[in-house]
Formats: sequence, structure tokens, C-alpha cells
Amino acid sequence: SQQGEEDPQALSIQEGENATMNCSYKTSINNLQWYRQNSGRGLVHLILIRSNEREKHSGRLRVTLDTSKKSSSLLITASRAADTASYFCATPQGGSEKLVFGKGTKLTVNP
Amino acid sequence: DADVTQTPRNRITKTGKRIMLECSQTKGHDRMYWYRQDPGLGLRLIYYSFDVKDINKGEISDGYSVSRQAQAKFSLSLESAIPNQTALYFCATSGNSVGELFFGEGSRLTVL
Repeated sequence: SQQGEEDPQALSIQEGENATMNCSYKTSINNLQWYRQNSGRGLVHLILIRSNEREKHSGRLRVTLDTSKKSSSLLITASRAADTASYFCATPQGGSEKLVFGKGTKLTVNP
Repeated sequence: DADVTQTPRNRITKTGKRIMLECSQTKGHDRMYWYRQDPGLGLRLIYYSFDVKDINKGEISDGYSVSRQAQAKFSLSLESAIPNQTALYFCATSGNSVGELFFGEGSRLTVL
């Protein structure tokens, strides 16, 4: 069953602009993770934010978590063509170690 | 060399054939997972294993079986492949209970 749901499904921006993707989930979580997937390749872990954290940064990435709204956002600042990929949020299912993934946001950064 | 290696990377087979997808890892992780990815559906968990003697069904285990031959090896089998099992299959590992996953490059399976 889908736990996280990303929004928008697709996003197209120009190089240098910021990209914001959102994730909503249904049940209480202890952490939320974001992954990136280049076309046809394996997923790569980007960042993990715990339920007691509200914001986390990693390079050009900024992740926020609002547990009251059961939502998270991933902001990529000063985007580059190389950021073109699909981005997925993932949350543990029912407090277990099984990660459940959303359907992803496909980001296209135009040069 | 990749930390999580999947073989084969691409496979075309016919309905009714038995197929095995193999995964090996050099990360020393106990936890291993098999996911399936279909366009527009995201990733869905097929089976997972927390150690050699522990195998668990995931969300979509029907039609699949697994074998954990060693800590480093986790194989996925399709006993009698059918066309709707055409998908991209990923093996992943995790080294801790927080659940950060490390993925292989995927095995693209086409069942005709």
C-alpha cells in the first residue's frame, strides 16, 4: 500500500531555478527519506529526516518535515541539468523497517 | 566495483519459464530487499530478509520466491514467468534499523 505520495508528478524548470517537491503520507512515522533515480538506474539515498526534526540541509538540498500535516518537502536550490531525475519519498510502514515508496516526481532541468 | 550487484541486468524470457535474479553485496549488511518498479506505480516490496534465517513476504509476493544463500546473497525467483511480471527489479540492502537503503542498478525483465 502506498504510504507517501509526491506532488507534482512532473516538474520542468530552467537551470538556476529552485525546484520544490512535496510528499504527503498517511500514518505516523519515525523518519522520512528522499531518494533520487536517474532514468533506468538504481535509487540513491539523498537525505533522511527524523520525526523530531523540522528541517535538514545537505549541500543544495533542503528538506522540511511537518508531522502535524503529515507532509515533507524537498527543495533543490540553483538547479543544474544534472539534477534531472525522478525523486521519491519513502517512509517506514507501520513502524517497521520496511520502506514504502511514493510514485515519485519527475524533475526535468532545462539547460 | 558496485557495492550491490545484480545479475542479469537485462533478460527477455517467455511465459512459463523459470527465472532467477541474483543479488550480491559487499556492504556487510544483514538486511536485504527485493523491489519491483513499474511505470507510474513507484516501487513495491516483494520480499525482504533481515538475516540468513529470516525471510518475509512483502506487498506483492505472489508468483515470486526468494533464497538467502548467505549474508551477501539474496536471489529472487519467478517459478513460471507471466507477462505482467515484466518490470524493473531492484535489490537493496540496509545496515541499520533506520532503514536507509542502498540499491543495485536493477534487472530489467521482459516476459513475452
